[in-house]
Amino acid sequence: DQQVKQNSPSLSVQEGRISILNCDYTNSMFDYFLWYKKYPAEGPTFLISISSIKDKNEDGRFTVFLNKSAKHLSLHIVPSQPGDSAVYFCAAAYNAGGTSYGKLTFGQGTILTVHP
Amino acid sequence: GAVVSQHPSWVICKSGTSVKIECRSLDFQATTMFWYRQFPKQSLMLMATSNEGSKATYEQGVEKDKFLINHASLTLSTLTVTSAHPEDSSFYICSARARSRNQPQHFGDGTRLSIL
Repeated sequence: DQQVKQNSPSLSVQEGRISILNCDYTNSMFDYFLWYKKYPAEGPTFLISISSIKDKNEDGRFTVFLNKSAKHLSLHIVPSQPGDSAVYFCAAAYNAGGTSYGKLTFGQGTILTVHP
Repeated sequence: GAVVSQHPSWVICKSGTSVKIECRSLDFQATTMFWYRQFPKQSLMLMATSNEGSKATYEQGVEKDKFLINHASLTLSTLTVTSAHPEDSSFYICSARARSRNQPQHFGDGTRLSIL
């Protein structure tokens, strides 16, 4: 059962335009969501996160939107730059106690290519 | 930003060898560390959660006698792949997070393990 889904395997965007990466989840217990960027043969790099008490969080060129009723989040990158080309993973966690605390469930990833 | 160091980055060894991978948080105290495995073109798969001073919690299907985890201090966790075989060849990634609620996991750069 894939609890976190990124339905678009890839996205191609022109430099300077907006990149929108989407993510859906099914587990209503998730209350903390994150986006990571990953290059081949490297570990993921944390980009931005959002708690379920918010519907938007912004950090420079990166904005994450959360729609709890739709169980959907998105990452907006504006303006997109060629250096943003990488695989983007969304992840979700729920801060319940016990062994589930802080565990991340990852989506399958979306390959973003930003063309000059 | 937070830094997690993982060592070694690449290991090639013969079948039957045991391999130890180290994960260190360099600028924060990591009460919890996580070990992941990534197969080509797939997402990260959580193997186990390691809390400082206690036994690791393994995900379903992960052999705890095969993948030994030690989290002896707040800055160091180790994963030992015992008697490694070719099917254990993979990309192993660790992450670390601080104690506070809603803290992101920060990832190491991964270890490419190749068993001949």
